[in-house]
Amino acid sequence: NAGVTQTPKFQVLKTGQSMTLQCAQDMNHNSMYWYRQDPGMGLRLIYYSASEGTTDKGEVPNGYNVSRLNKREFSLRLESAAPSQTSVYFCASSEGGRPQHFGDGTRLSIL
Amino acid sequence: GENVEQHPSTLSVQEGDSAVIKCTYSDSASNYFPWYKQELGKRPQLIIDIRSNVGEKKDQRIAVTLNKTAKHFSLHITETQPEDSAVYFCAASPPDNYGQNFVFGPGTRLSVLP
Repeated sequence: NAGVTQTPKFQVLKTGQSMTLQCAQDMNHNSMYWYRQDPGMGLRLIYYSASEGTTDKGEVPNGYNVSRLNKREFSLRLESAAPSQTSVYFCASSEGGRPQHFGDGTRLSIL
Repeated sequence: GENVEQHPSTLSVQEGDSAVIKCTYSDSASNYFPWYKQELGKRPQLIIDIRSNVGEKKDQRIAVTLNKTAKHFSLHITETQPEDSAVYFCAASPPDNYGQNFVFGPGTRLSVLP
């Protein structure tokens, strides 16, 4: 039982490059989340998915897109990376709308 | 929407002393208040939560209290140990239980000095 699995753990990109962060959970949870964590800013919601096929913007959605591929997987895409998107990204899941389980995070640096 | 403030932003205590972190929230309709612990370089972990129909909840050395009238809740850690050193986040959730409206506080960095 792995919980919430994120890949990759680390990534360095150049400005303008694109990439997709992957997240999968094996707890049969309906809700999944993408957060970013910056020093002194806590956890800010990028996108939320209440169930397969639904997604909603969070506090900081600009520059990101998401896909809820199925109940298990929720991916986050940066189409044209910018230095301001350098951050630690956490995926989370829960049965209802209150995040319970987090992945280990993806540390993303954009040069 | 909901706004959650957290104080202090940093806290240092001697091992064995107690630590208290306080959060205030703005939306009187919020009814669920969890606390997360994040050790350096690790994922956030839910450690305790309280619902609005309860005034206090304890789990071993940690406890959370809620004052609905004043719209604040606090995390209390007794007999602190070095492994309690971490960043602690509070959060507030409205009754609609919709994740888009779930809000974290900015965090408190707790250092337990040996």
